[in-house]
Amino acid sequence: EDKVVQSPLSLVVHEGDTVTLNCSYEVTNFRSLLWYKQEKKAPTFLFMLTSSGIEKKSGRLSSILDKKELFSILNITATQTGDSAIYLCAVVSGNTPLVFGKGTRLSVIA
Amino acid sequence: ETGVTQTPRHLVMGMTNKKSLKCEQHLGHNAMYWYKQSAKKPLELMFVYSLEERVENNSVPSRFSPECPNSSHLFLHLHTLQPEDSALYLCASSQEAAGPTSYEQYFGPGTRLTVT
Repeated sequence: EDKVVQSPLSLVVHEGDTVTLNCSYEVTNFRSLLWYKQEKKAPTFLFMLTSSGIEKKSGRLSSILDKKELFSILNITATQTGDSAIYLCAVVSGNTPLVFGKGTRLSVIA
Repeated sequence: ETGVTQTPRHLVMGMTNKKSLKCEQHLGHNAMYWYKQSAKKPLELMFVYSLEERVENNSVPSRFSPECPNSSHLFLHLHTLQPEDSALYLCASSQEAAGPTSYEQYFGPGTRLTVT
């Protein structure tokens, strides 16, 4: 059974801190890994990763995939209160649509 | 309207009621999805429609019945639900293609369902 595990489950940091969120997976026939940010309701897409070692960046957010060790990290530098959200990791394997982890709840306090 | 819309945004129903959730995507996508999000659980995929045909239903109880009349609209018909069915129901869409694909799904705002 495909599995996606995120850690930590929750995290509280101060504004300006740098955080690293982890996502490990066990799936058959890996295709891609996606990161989403979920605030009040709908998850919004952040990154899609398919190749190992290639960092994707968007502003203060960056992510990288390690297909040998089966994990990905999401980094957020200089955190702001607006970064407070649940960050979801999801994996596509074979012909299976997204399998999500439980998410990491990030709280950034001023 | 842009993106993916869902109605209603909130729904309270009794266990004997029949109601329907509606999802509409304005992105020209060819696949649509229903997810259930319960507290402290991962998002659970319920149904997938690709090119208006159901491709996966993940052993969802029959009290949930999907309908996809065309590539832009998706419904979830509800009847005789249980209190444990209370959750946020999210609709998503994506553009599927042969070969490597983004699988990037765009989500609607969700319907918060409470079964009393």
